Amino acid sequence: SQQGEEDPQALSIQEGENATMNCSYKTSINNLQWYRQNSGRGLVHLILIRSNEREKHSGRLRVTLDTSKKSSSLLITASRAADTASYFCATDALGTGNQFYFGTGTSLTVIP
Amino acid sequence: SAVISQKPSRDICQRGTSLTIQCQVDSQVTMMFWYRQQPGQSLTLIATANQGSEATYESGFVIDKFPISRPNLTFSTLTVSNMSPEDSSIYLCSVGQGTNGYTFGSGTRLTVV
Repeated sequence: SQQGEEDPQALSIQEGENATMNCSYKTSINNLQWYRQNSGRGLVHLILIRSNEREKHSGRLRVTLDTSKKSSSLLITASRAADTASYFCATDALGTGNQFYFGTGTSLTVIP
Repeated sequence: SAVISQKPSRDICQRGTSLTIQCQVDSQVTMMFWYRQQPGQSLTLIATANQGSEATYESGFVIDKFPISRPNLTFSTLTVSNMSPEDSSIYLCSVGQGTNGYTFGSGTRLTVV
């Protein structure tokens, strides 16, 4: 990818369990974002975390950022079947003109 | 947040032809971004389109293959030129929304035969 990689590539869990996805990126950043993409559809912005933030919450989502390790994680708690989708992290790079580069993505399947 | 209307939603094209994809935003934006998503892959940034100046292309993408127009602050087009089957992808435009992240068009699913 242009900027980062995610793992695992695919994740399958039972409804009600927590799902954790990790993102590693290459260069120093201003912001990191997480997006969801349902099969064959457009991307939906989930959460943005700035480089000076370490953790952010939004509903059942928790995002952490470790700039020293150039990594982030997305935790979805109490997963639902409707959470089944691909999840991507996206990072800008210091000094760039607001362009965002996407990681390789994690395909999450939540089994009812 | 901004609403983007992207068209066509899908097309099947003959190799060697060109397709122009349009994105209309319901508010004025400085930058618009064009991405490509090949089957089963992540998004790859093609170029950044600023109004009144030439688009800035990422490594591996050239203006002759992907010419971009940005005639005003609410509209942009991406043309996929001289298409080959390898150009079969979903093409998406997007605009920044500050702390609300980026808004994406619904995408154009292109199949080249």
